[in-house]
Amino acid sequence: GQQLNQSPQSMFIQEGEDVSMNCTSSSIFNTWLWYKQDPGEGPVLLIALYKAGELTSNGRLTAQFGITRKDSFLNISASIPSDVGIYFCAGQGAYSGAGSYQLTFGKGTKLSVIP
Amino acid sequence: DSGVTQTPKHLITATGQRVTLRCSPRSGDLSVYWYQQSLDQGLQFLIQYYNGEERAKGNILERFSAQQFPDLHSELNLSSLELGDSALYFCASSVEAGGGTDTQYFGPGTRLTVL
Repeated sequence: GQQLNQSPQSMFIQEGEDVSMNCTSSSIFNTWLWYKQDPGEGPVLLIALYKAGELTSNGRLTAQFGITRKDSFLNISASIPSDVGIYFCAGQGAYSGAGSYQLTFGKGTKLSVIP
Repeated sequence: DSGVTQTPKHLITATGQRVTLRCSPRSGDLSVYWYQQSLDQGLQFLIQYYNGEERAKGNILERFSAQQFPDLHSELNLSSLELGDSALYFCASSVEAGGGTDTQYFGPGTRLTVL
């Protein structure tokens, strides 16, 4: 099945620093999504990317859909304590019969921000 | 608040038992997806229902089953529970059957503990 490699697994950064994380896949995806999960909560959608090469921002967050359609990155600028959480990338493939719109998730990047 | 509700929030039961998890999608959403999140496996897609019909199946065990009712709420039934079934179970919903810009929004999850 499809697998996503997300890195880094965890990060400790100082408040105010910029953060970068990425996902790569051996398969092509038509959509890349970035979610954030706080402890005890469900994943919350941060950014959705629908076209190869697309660069999209949401406040201090910027994400890009790789040209090859096999990768994506997420940047967070000027981190603040509430950025703490686990960030997941997810890819959605092309439809090729029943079951192919499901999301494949990376294992997550755990972000810790030191005040 | 994503608009997706799940009950119960926590469930503790014993091996061999059967439990039912409930999900109400966002108003207007026709698809419901079930995911399992464990520490070692990450977020794994289990099954999708669209407008009452099974649409896609992922890594769902035969001991697990789901259904979507005419009012579009969904239930995930887990039977003959094993210790390894302890996990967070998330429901997500989307407007259509998936693909394109059809985004999945996640509920807060049910934490299942099997003793």
